[in-house]
Amino acid sequence: DTEVTQTPKHLVMGMTNKKSLKCEQHMGHRAMYWYKQKAKKPPELMFVYSYEKLSINESVPSRFSPECPNSSLLNLHLHALQPEDSALYLCASSQDQGFNEKLFFGSGTQLSVL
Amino acid sequence: AQKVTQAQTEISVVEKEDVTLDCVYETRDTTYYLFWYKQPPSGELVFLIRRNSFDEQNEISGRYSWNFQKSTSSFNFTITASQVVDSAVYFCALQGGKLIFGQGTELSVKP
Repeated sequence: DTEVTQTPKHLVMGMTNKKSLKCEQHMGHRAMYWYKQKAKKPPELMFVYSYEKLSINESVPSRFSPECPNSSLLNLHLHALQPEDSALYLCASSQDQGFNEKLFFGSGTQLSVL
Repeated sequence: AQKVTQAQTEISVVEKEDVTLDCVYETRDTTYYLFWYKQPPSGELVFLIRRNSFDEQNEISGRYSWNFQKSTSSFNFTITASQVVDSAVYFCALQGGKLIFGQGTELSVKP
C-alpha cells in the first residue's frame, strides 16, 4: 500500500466555521507533512511531524492547528479562516525526515473559504 | 540562498514530440538532493526521480531521461515520444535542509 489518503476531497467553509482535514498513510512512514498550494504555484510547506512530534512550523497562523494522533494519521484543524486561505491542502509522508527522502503525496483537499 | 528556477512556465507539444523541461538551481551546500515531481490534474504530486549532488550520472527510465550537470547547476528532464498522459505540471525541487520547489512547468501534450 503506497497511498496517502486525504479526506475530504473538497470543503467549503465560512469564516466562522471549524473544520478538520484528515490524512492517513499505512506505509510505516515516520514523517508527515502539510503543504498549501495556490493555483499555478508550487506547494508551500506548512508543518512537519517526525515520530509524531511537531518538528517544523513554517510560521503558519494559529488558525491552522495540526495534530498527529498516531504515526499513521495527521489532522489539520481549521478555525476562523480567511478567504485568502482558499487553496489545495496536500498531505505527504516519507520514511523519515532526512533530506534525501522522497515524499509520497495525497491528492489533496480543495478548500474554499467564503 | 537556495533557489530553483524553471524558466518555462508552459509548454505545448503534439503527441510523439520530444520535450525537455529545464531546471536550474542555486545552493552553497556541497551535499544536496534534486528531485522531479509530476502533478497531474488529479492533484497529487508523484515522485519521478531523486539525484544526489555526488552522482552526475544521467538516468533513463523508459521514455524519461534526466541530465544532471553540476558545472551549470542544471537538472533537466526529457520526455521522449510524449503522450497525452504526460500532460501535467512538473516540479523540480532541491533538498538541502528543506524541500524547495521551482515554480513548475505546465506541459500540455495534444493528440
